[in-house]
Amino acid sequence: SAVISQKPSRDICQRGTSLTIQCQVDSQVTMMFWYRQQPGQSLTLIATANQGSEATYESGFVIDKFPISRPNLTFSTLTVSNMSPEDSSIYLCSARALEYQETQYFGPGTRLLVL
Amino acid sequence: QKEVEQDPGPLSVPEGAIVSLNCTYSNSAFQYFMWYRQYSRKGPELLMYTYSSGNKEDGRFTAQVDKSSKYISLFIRDSQPSDSATYLCAMSLTSGGSYIPTFGRGTSLIVHP
Repeated sequence: SAVISQKPSRDICQRGTSLTIQCQVDSQVTMMFWYRQQPGQSLTLIATANQGSEATYESGFVIDKFPISRPNLTFSTLTVSNMSPEDSSIYLCSARALEYQETQYFGPGTRLLVL
Repeated sequence: QKEVEQDPGPLSVPEGAIVSLNCTYSNSAFQYFMWYRQYSRKGPELLMYTYSSGNKEDGRFTAQVDKSSKYISLFIRDSQPSDSATYLCAMSLTSGGSYIPTFGRGTSLIVHP
């Protein structure tokens, strides 16, 4: 399995500002993902973080709002830009295991509150 | 209709009870089925993983897939207060297709002493 850490674990931000969330995996993984989880809702995939190239965004998410980087096989960042209260959510980093390509492991999440 | 339906609960049971958690789905192409457990203020952790139909057992946990009915279940025997968490089902397509899983909303389970 892969152990995933995220920083920060939580933050309170003012509207109009940006926050960058870091994700570190303790081993090389094939793919990394960013999800959003809102109370009572299923996990929503924001984008797939591709190493050395632009992330692949899901419908409803755009690069200008959620720029993503993945400079190597074990590290990725997600930035939530020009935040509004609607961006208040839990943001989860996820990575696909090498041994079981169909399953994913998750970080502890970053709890974001935008005032 | 959502691709994956899961009752959010909460489901409250006494300690020692047998718990049944369920999901239904609409896409018959799903072949890989997973259950994740998420404790409060933590990320989801993979609990069970099954391929295609049938049962899989791991300690007190049994995952069951009925593809003909598009229905999956997770059974917890001798439930403990430490099992109190949200359980999310997830499923993904066959090899060659997308491995991006589709998640249910999660069922909140409360096991009281």
